Order: sequence, then C-alpha cells, then structure tokens
Amino acid sequence: GQQVMQIPQYQHVQEGEDFTTYCNSSTTLSNIQWYKQRPGGHPVFLIQLVKSGEVKKQKRLTFQFGEAKKNSSLHITATQTTDVGTYFCAGFTSGTYKYIFGTGTRLKVLA
Amino acid sequence: DAMVIQNPRYQVTQFGKPVTLSCSQTLNHNVMYWYQQKSSQAPKLLFHYYDKDFNNEADTPDNFQSRRPNTSFCFLDIRSPGLGDAAMYLCATSWHGGMTDTQYFGPGTRLTVL
Repeated sequence: GQQVMQIPQYQHVQEGEDFTTYCNSSTTLSNIQWYKQRPGGHPVFLIQLVKSGEVKKQKRLTFQFGEAKKNSSLHITATQTTDVGTYFCAGFTSGTYKYIFGTGTRLKVLA
Repeated sequence: DAMVIQNPRYQVTQFGKPVTLSCSQTLNHNVMYWYQQKSSQAPKLLFHYYDKDFNNEADTPDNFQSRRPNTSFCFLDIRSPGLGDAAMYLCATSWHGGMTDTQYFGPGTRLTVL
C-alpha cells in the first residue's frame, strides 16, 4: 500500500538554529498538506502545495513540493521555542482519494 | 466560533467494556473522519462519513463501529476494547473530502483501557 515516510523521526535543535523535515511518498501525490501537532494537542493545518516544484513561505517556514510530486520538505529558519511539536505531511492521491499522513518529525527546541 | 468538539476528553474503560466517543461540529461540513493515533505515531484513518455514506478503511477492525445520526454529530463505538486500543482518538471534518480540502481536527479523546 501507499506509504509516506518522514525523516528525521526526531530532531533537537538549539533555539535560533534551522530545521528541516523531509517527506517522501511511495507514489505520486496529487497534492500535499502540512500539519503541526503541539505536545498534547491535535493536528492543525499549516499549508497546502498542489503544483510540481511549488514553494510557499509562511514567515520563517518554507515549504517545497518536489518536481515529481513524490516528496516535500518543510524548513524552519531560526527556530523558536514556539516551534516545538510534531510536523506531519499528508499526501493525497487520486487513486485512494484520501490523505495519508506521514510518520511525522518531532521537533524539540532547546532555549 | 465554528469548531469541532470531542467528548469526553479523557475516557477510561475496562477491558471488554463497550465505550462510545462523541464528536460534534458547528462547521456544517459534509465529511467527518475518525482517526486513531498511538503515542509517537501518525494519525491512522479508521473510517469516514461523506454525509450519510459510510466509508470503512480495509484494515479497521470490526470492533470499531461508527454512527452519524445527523450532520453535526458522529460517534465512535468500540464494542470490546482491548489493551491495544488505548490511544488518542481524533475526529476531523472537511467540506468535501477531496483534493485540496482541509481537515479540521477536534482536540481528541484519550482512551485508557484497564
């Protein structure tokens, strides 16, 4: 079946350092979404990418969708303690007609 | 504010004792989802409703059932909870369930099975 993997599984950074998580799908995606889940909280939608090679920015966050639409990345510049949480990608395929969540990357930011 | 509400937030049940989790929404969305999320894992889709049409995931155990009596409410019934069913159960909603649709998650119900 379709799999969506994320690396790394965990990342500890010092406040102010950059952070990147990578999302890789076993199949071509129609689009991809990114969610953030704070410790003890629920997933909250961050952004959606639809076009091949698309790049979107939200303040310190930069999202990319690969040219082949099988991978994506989330980069955070100059992390802050408020960035702590688990970041999930979720890929949609027309074949399954649903979103499959990636395995997630848990980010800890040390002050 | 429009939102997705889950009750209770914490539920403790005994092995084999049926339990029902509740989800309600004020977003008037067509689709309601139930996910199971175990510690340090991704949310796993159990099933979803598009309006009154029920869509079960192939690997969802028969022990898990769902009801959607109206647009606003959806219930997750676990008929005979086992220790392995202890998890966070997340309800989510979306407009049409298709590509580009955003899912709005409730706060979740954490289920403990003794």
